[in-house]
Amino acid sequence: ETGVTQTPRHLVMGMTNKKSLKCEQHLGHNAMYWYKQSAKKPLELMFVYNFKEQTENNSVPSRFSPECPNSSHLFLHLHTLQPEDSALYLCASSFLLDREGEKLFFGSGTQLSVL
Amino acid sequence: AQTVTQSQPEMSVQEAETVTLSCTYDTSESDYYLFWYKQPPSRQMILVIRQEAYKQQNATENRFSVNFQKAAKSFSLKISDSQLGDAAMYFCAFRAYKYIFGTGTRLKVLA
Repeated sequence: ETGVTQTPRHLVMGMTNKKSLKCEQHLGHNAMYWYKQSAKKPLELMFVYNFKEQTENNSVPSRFSPECPNSSHLFLHLHTLQPEDSALYLCASSFLLDREGEKLFFGSGTQLSVL
Repeated sequence: AQTVTQSQPEMSVQEAETVTLSCTYDTSESDYYLFWYKQPPSRQMILVIRQEAYKQQNATENRFSVNFQKAAKSFSLKISDSQLGDAAMYFCAFRAYKYIFGTGTRLKVLA
């Protein structure tokens, strides 16, 4: 399989549940990202990993916990979420410092609903 | 602060016609990239076209072209010969040190 793959595609969870989102890229990229997409708002960058090291955390609440075991896999662990966390969570990858402005390659996202 | 503004939440175009989506941005940087990304109902965003700020020539990709006005900080996307498959959300994005996205424009293509 090629490109950026995200699972699950849909997720419904209660506020006390613990779940994880998974992202896998088969493009040989060295940077991976989590974005939150809410209606009528710009995409919000949550976390950035460069060569497996977290380089950016945009003041994301601790109920979101990222994990990047290698350059191809990225997880977002979720626990005790709030209803306002309901959104589409997008994973992306890129080549760091490429000559094309670091084009982003996105997955299809996980549509998360917190009840 | 760097911002990207898409003032058209929704646009419609007749199939085979031409439509222009607007985007303005604010930055003090002189070296940056601009992008248009398309998000179809499948939700997977794909790059449509990109522009380096140091290049005066407007980028083109088949039916897609941009009108880049650096002094005005404007970066509009023109879609020619619109097709049903062009229906999607279109996001304008700016990148100097990191990506800044606009709020998107939903494009409807009428048969």
